[in-house]
Amino acid sequence: ETGVTQSPTHLIKTRGQQVTLRCSSQSGHNTVSWYQQALGQGPQFIFQYYREEENGRGNFPPRFSGLQFPNYSSELNVNALELDDSALYLCASRAGGAGYGYTFGSGTRLTVV
Amino acid sequence: KNEVEQSPQNLTAQEGEFITINCSYSVGISALHWLQQHPGGGIVSLFMLSSGKKKHGRLIATINIQEKHSSLHITASHPRDSAVYICAASPNNNAGNMLTFGGGTRLMVKP
Repeated sequence: ETGVTQSPTHLIKTRGQQVTLRCSSQSGHNTVSWYQQALGQGPQFIFQYYREEENGRGNFPPRFSGLQFPNYSSELNVNALELDDSALYLCASRAGGAGYGYTFGSGTRLTVV
Repeated sequence: KNEVEQSPQNLTAQEGEFITINCSYSVGISALHWLQQHPGGGIVSLFMLSSGKKKHGRLIATINIQEKHSSLHITASHPRDSAVYICAASPNNNAGNMLTFGGGTRLMVKP
């Protein structure tokens, strides 16, 4: 399988609810990062997983959590949704370390009302 | 001050013009990425470079490590080049080489 696929593409949730966003990476891409992009701004790093373990985290509260699975898929979970969580959520994966480029998904647009 | 800064924030050009977008960073990096984002949100990786210059079609990316500066050039611009262009750095002070993004340059090319 080629490319990075994210689902769903769009989602509307109510404040206080929980949401799970999914990312399916290319075979062999053992590093996956998640980013939040608010409207009109550049993406902000949420966290990164390498071989199913979190190996980096940005300035996001614990209600943002993630998982990476052996089949190169991953999840971003957000609990107790707030209105400010409305954003485009992007995942990006790569096959190795700094010498490898990232492949980005098309994102999930989350709206919290 | 952001670790990665881009200029200009917005750019309008006429079809055929030569375009330059600039990126400055304040940290040591292992790689610098240029990305393209269309209105639907999806991001396409254009270049990853750590030195010198790369060319792909009408796009050219250069980087000066000593000056901590990179540029993205578009020759013979076309309306389909209209998008947000983002530079992102992989700082070499974090083990995971996670990306730090600039704020993006919104380019509109008019026919």
